[in-house]
Amino acid sequence: DAGVIQSPRHEVTEMGQEVTLRCKPISGHNSLFWYRQTMMRGLELLIYFNNNVPIDDSGMPEDRFSAKMPNASFSTLKIQPSEPRDSAVYFCASTRGQGNQPQHFGDGTRLSIL
Amino acid sequence: QKEVEQDPGPLSVPEGAIVSLNCTYSNSAFQYFMWYRQYSRKGPELLMYTYSSGNKEDGRFTAQVDKSSKYISLFIRDSQPSDSATYLCAMSAISGAGSYQLTFGKGTKLSVIP
Repeated sequence: DAGVIQSPRHEVTEMGQEVTLRCKPISGHNSLFWYRQTMMRGLELLIYFNNNVPIDDSGMPEDRFSAKMPNASFSTLKIQPSEPRDSAVYFCASTRGQGNQPQHFGDGTRLSIL
Repeated sequence: QKEVEQDPGPLSVPEGAIVSLNCTYSNSAFQYFMWYRQYSRKGPELLMYTYSSGNKEDGRFTAQVDKSSKYISLFIRDSQPSDSATYLCAMSAISGAGSYQLTFGKGTKLSVIP
């Protein structure tokens, strides 16, 4: 079975550029999560979708970050404009139900903003 | 005090040793407890998932939850070099938005030396 698929795996771009990260959840999973992982802060939840609807975006750091889920098989996380402090590994995870079930993670996008 | 505390290590043990990894937490609303393993440059993968206090065993891995002490542990018996990874504890509770959200420890980096 295919797991959670994220693209790109690596992204290097200059400050001020728009960055778009993509995620395809596991088929049949109706909850999707975006996380950011840094050495200093560990894994932090950014936003949670259930049935394609954003349920909790309180973890989104600021208005430069936005996320969409146009259908059950695709989600994007966009940063515009990007800043060096956004450099991190961004993970997407999916699960069935309301989130109390174990989440399955993709291999992440390693983002570097110069 | 952070919601979930986990000793970051690093922890280095000889092959065959018994490994004990621990997390403490402060939020008594946490209901589900998980351990994830994360290899370098990969996403976290679920190892163990428990709900109640007590022990749960799966092969060489045993997860222990003590809700009264707000303490969880992961034991690895007969550790192997392939167990070398970062181990993340995670816990979930219903958020203000009515959904379950995972809170992660920062992870303990384990090295098993042949």
